[in-house]
Amino acid sequence: DAKTTQPPSMDCAEGRAANLPCNHSTISGNEYVYWYRQIHSQGPQYIIHGLKNNETNEMASLIITEDRKSSTLILPHATLRDTAVYYCIVRALNTDKLIFGTGTRLQVFP
Amino acid sequence: EPEVTQTPSHQVTQMGQEVILRCVPISNHLYFYWYRQILGQKVEFLVSFYNNEISEKSEIFDDQFSVERPDGSNFTLKIRSTKLEDSAMYFCASSEGGMNTEAFFGQGTRLTVV
Repeated sequence: DAKTTQPPSMDCAEGRAANLPCNHSTISGNEYVYWYRQIHSQGPQYIIHGLKNNETNEMASLIITEDRKSSTLILPHATLRDTAVYYCIVRALNTDKLIFGTGTRLQVFP
Repeated sequence: EPEVTQTPSHQVTQMGQEVILRCVPISNHLYFYWYRQILGQKVEFLVSFYNNEISEKSEIFDDQFSVERPDGSNFTLKIRSTKLEDSAMYFCASSEGGMNTEAFFGQGTRLTVV
């Protein structure tokens, strides 16, 4: 499985964009990058995923570098409810299981 | 919006007892999963299930664990003889399957073994 590296914690002011980085330098050509978040001890919540192109949905945008070795999750206008642990996961080709790391704990402050 | 539902939300059981955790996946999904999270630790994959059989399992998923889809809607995780170290949040998830699909998780069952 391609390993991901994320900063352990980040802060963001409410209303500002939160940019969460992820390094996945060993990613293979057809492996997707997934982002999930976990608020307190609730079930992980799917945010977005992508392969090569940038992706956007109602929750966030995903920017993947051209060499695919890193990506950034963007929450365009962070709210207090976005305070959570964010997981960047590279899903291996021959499996549909998700390997969770320790993620980035995002704290949104007023 | 369709969601994965899990029951009960909290289960307390005595060590050595059998416990069954229940999940109702999203109705058109074909792939089902169990994960667990011990307090303060990472979310860990346990097992995936497709077409009425286990497709993949982790080292954690030993002979004490089993999964079943007893009818067209439920997906269960059974722990035969619970141990103290089985205390954790257990999350069920489901997906349509395939490389370009996402898994959706339930809110979890907190299992406490005393």
